[in-house]
Amino acid sequence: SQQGEEDPQALSIQEGENATMNCSYKTSINNLQWYRQNSGRGLVHLILIRSNEREKHSGRLRVTLDTSKKSSSLLITASRAADTASYFCATKYSGGGADGLTFGKGTHLIIQP
Amino acid sequence: DAGITQSPRHKVTETGTPVTLRCHQTENHRYMYWYRQDPGHGLRLIHYSYGVKDTDKGEVSDGYSVSRSKTEDFLLTLESATSSQTSVYFCAISESRTEQFFGPGTRLTVL
Repeated sequence: SQQGEEDPQALSIQEGENATMNCSYKTSINNLQWYRQNSGRGLVHLILIRSNEREKHSGRLRVTLDTSKKSSSLLITASRAADTASYFCATKYSGGGADGLTFGKGTHLIIQP
Repeated sequence: DAGITQSPRHKVTETGTPVTLRCHQTENHRYMYWYRQDPGHGLRLIHYSYGVKDTDKGEVSDGYSVSRSKTEDFLLTLESATSSQTSVYFCAISESRTEQFFGPGTRLTVL
């Protein structure tokens, strides 16, 4: 079963604008990760935020985590055409003690030039 | 793609035939994972390995088996492929059990 759900499913903005996407999850977590997937490619790890952190930055990325609301957001500032991709949040798979990650369905981000 | 290759990259097969997908890594990472990605479902964990000959099931393991005889190779086998197994399959590796590095994927079509 999916742990994370991203919102919105699709987002189209102009180059230079900021893009915000959200993730909600169901169970308690130790950390939450964000990944990017360019069309036809594998996923690339972007950033990890731990449950005791509220905000984390990496370059043009800003991630927030609200464990009381079981939600996270990913902000991409000053968007570029190369940011066009699908973005996924991921948490540890919680089924039956197995390892691995559970992913949401993703937000498809399109940056219009 | 962080020293991970998947083979084949594309495969078309018929229902009922066995299929084996290979994941090969050069990073010497301990943990390896197989996921499938389908429209409307995101990525779902099939099986994973926490060492040579140590494997376990994930969320959608029915119809799949895996083997890991060497650190660098993780094989996913569909014993008798079905149309519902048409998907894009991704292998991932990890040393820390947190951040994962993904391969380029294998697109499998079962007719």
